[in-house]
Amino acid sequence: QVQLVQSGAEVKKPGASVKVSCKTSGYTFTSYLIHWVRQAPGQGLEWMGVISPSGPSTTYAQKLRGRLAFTRDMSTSTVYMELSNLRSDDTAVYYCAREYSGSFRDYYFDNWGQGTLATVSS
Amino acid sequence: QSALTQPASVSGSPGQSITISCTGTTSDVGGHTLVSWYQQHPDKAPKLVVYDVIQRPSGVSNRFSGSKSGNTASLTISGLQAEDEADYYCSSYTSSRTFVFGGGTKVTVL
Repeated sequence: QVQLVQSGAEVKKPGASVKVSCKTSGYTFTSYLIHWVRQAPGQGLEWMGVISPSGPSTTYAQKLRGRLAFTRDMSTSTVYMELSNLRSDDTAVYYCAREYSGSFRDYYFDNWGQGTLATVSS
Repeated sequence: QSALTQPASVSGSPGQSITISCTGTTSDVGGHTLVSWYQQHPDKAPKLVVYDVIQRPSGVSNRFSGSKSGNTASLTISGLQAEDEADYYCSSYTSSRTFVFGGGTKVTVL
């Protein structure tokens, strides 16, 4: 079955970087885009950006551009999200989610990872 | 890109119907049919319940239905059940080739 399994919780100091992995299985890795969405404590969902594993082309939300990088490892069907120069307001649960992009695009997220809590604290 | 506008909370009694609105602009909700809705229970990942404004994924109850008029999309839950108590988020593709979410609506079953 389709699975997106994320790495475990992280605690980082302000100014540091965090790297979260999203290991996929159960489907053709290159047929789906992987999006990253975060949720600050008690807040709503915020779209961060997307990577095309077959590309690898990336699109980042404007407010995170310059601090955010997505990469992928084709050999393990894993996508990584790295956020640098962390601030306290980056404390959030980070989700990966997939979108079909084979012969056409779906423009919605049909499967999500379980989420990874990243806490930024001095 | 500003978040789409949703009511903070909506409530209803079991068996009733409720509707959650999601208002955007012609650059997102009003510009196409690429609007989706997600249900999120506490400490869980979001789950897709409606896509392309009106479509339901397999396995999602037909009590969930979507619609759109102009720049406002709506999610209706009919025959409200205790298990429907959750947060609901709309999402739209935008003319900037990005995505935007609504602020979320907490649904309470009285």
